[in-house]
Amino acid sequence: AQSVTQLGSHVSVSEGALVLLRCNYSSSVPPYLFWYVQYPNQGLQLLLKYTSAATLVKGINGFEAEFKKSETSFHLTKPSAHMSDAAEYFCAVSDQAGTALIFGKGTTLSVSS
Amino acid sequence: GAVVSQHPSWVICKSGTSVKIECRSLDFQATTMFWYRQFPKQSLMLMATSNEGSKATYEQGVEKDKFLINHASLTLSTLTVTSAHPEDSSFYICSAQKQKNTEAFFGQGTRLTVV
Repeated sequence: AQSVTQLGSHVSVSEGALVLLRCNYSSSVPPYLFWYVQYPNQGLQLLLKYTSAATLVKGINGFEAEFKKSETSFHLTKPSAHMSDAAEYFCAVSDQAGTALIFGKGTTLSVSS
Repeated sequence: GAVVSQHPSWVICKSGTSVKIECRSLDFQATTMFWYRQFPKQSLMLMATSNEGSKATYEQGVEKDKFLINHASLTLSTLTVTSAHPEDSSFYICSAQKQKNTEAFFGQGTRLTVV
């Protein structure tokens, strides 16, 4: 069965610092992986997705993630944090049918000036 | 882009009443829509998968008689919380896919408060 583990429920960085949000997955089939961002009381916005093409995926707002099959990881990074990056981030994997998404528990990113 | 609109964005209702939440795909047809529930500071839990023209598939532990889902057209799915109780208060989010193994597009969510 598919599952996602996000290490660290809360990450705090200074403005301009590197952002690293961790995600490990478990999948019985080649995975389709996603990172979403959620601002308070809003829906989810797709940051980027991995669909078996390039292992380094670039997304919106300067974020990128690298798919590492050997480590079953799909960590999200951004070289320089902005205050506007403060939000909740969710890693997700498609279920076996390739339809519903299975989400990790989320990581709250705080950015201080 | 692909836009999913959810309405209302927030609703307050009295215990025992029913509330309907709509999820529309505005610029694409979605044969499958999904309903999630999110508790404060927690992740999204899939409640059910809604298929156009057929019965919804509910996840284990979700009461199908309490959370009625209708997917009458390729652009509209509705979730009705029947006989709402305070413990049903939550953030409900819908999503829709254009096709398998692609990203899901999410609605803005509905904050339901039952008093």
